[in-house]
Amino acid sequence: GAGVSQSPSNKVTEKGKDVELRCDPISGHTALYWYRQSLGQGLEFLIYFQGNSAPDKSGLPSDRFSAERTGGSVSTLTIQRTQQEDSAVYLCASSLGLGGYGANVLTFGAGSRLTVL
Amino acid sequence: GDSVTQMEGPVTLSEEAFLTINCTYTATGYPSLFWYVQYPGEGLQLLLKATKADDKGSNKGFEATYRKETTSFHLEKGSVQVSDSAVYFCALSKINKFYFGSGTKLNVKP
Repeated sequence: GAGVSQSPSNKVTEKGKDVELRCDPISGHTALYWYRQSLGQGLEFLIYFQGNSAPDKSGLPSDRFSAERTGGSVSTLTIQRTQQEDSAVYLCASSLGLGGYGANVLTFGAGSRLTVL
Repeated sequence: GDSVTQMEGPVTLSEEAFLTINCTYTATGYPSLFWYVQYPGEGLQLLLKATKADDKGSNKGFEATYRKETTSFHLEKGSVQVSDSAVYFCALSKINKFYFGSGTKLNVKP
């Protein structure tokens, strides 16, 4: 697609429920990133995909968080047994994934705002 | 490890004032450097970038020069407008990894 598309744009859920957030990157972008932005805070790195593989999962806060990417395209971030501290905006970004020292540019989606009651 | 440090905000300026937002980085090798902007209620957008030492990135009147000797990439604009009010993030990229600063909120008053 023309841009990075994320859904849902807003999600309100009850504590303990599972949620799935979806990211559809720009066509041809091999690298995909998930970040979390809490209210008034900076960006917290969660996970990075190159193709369908996740070379860096170091940012996932706990084992309640998981992500997958299929067909080198769409990615889903799943949060199980949500907690109130999971409330944040979840941002997805993609890039060409050039590797080396090329000037990869991240293109961000508009984000999915998650509110856990 | 690799990291980015930018000045704390918020920064409050009057319209037409000169803007500087400081950014310094720590990295081995040859990172690329970026400024991203997040307008209220929106996602992050690339503002400008520089890929090697002494490069100057520029866009919408904003400029930043990649200074390897001082490991800096300060953002400047000669005359800010109310519409520039946003959060600005400095970032570096190295081999598909991106490191962001904590963001600096800019408020421009008419």
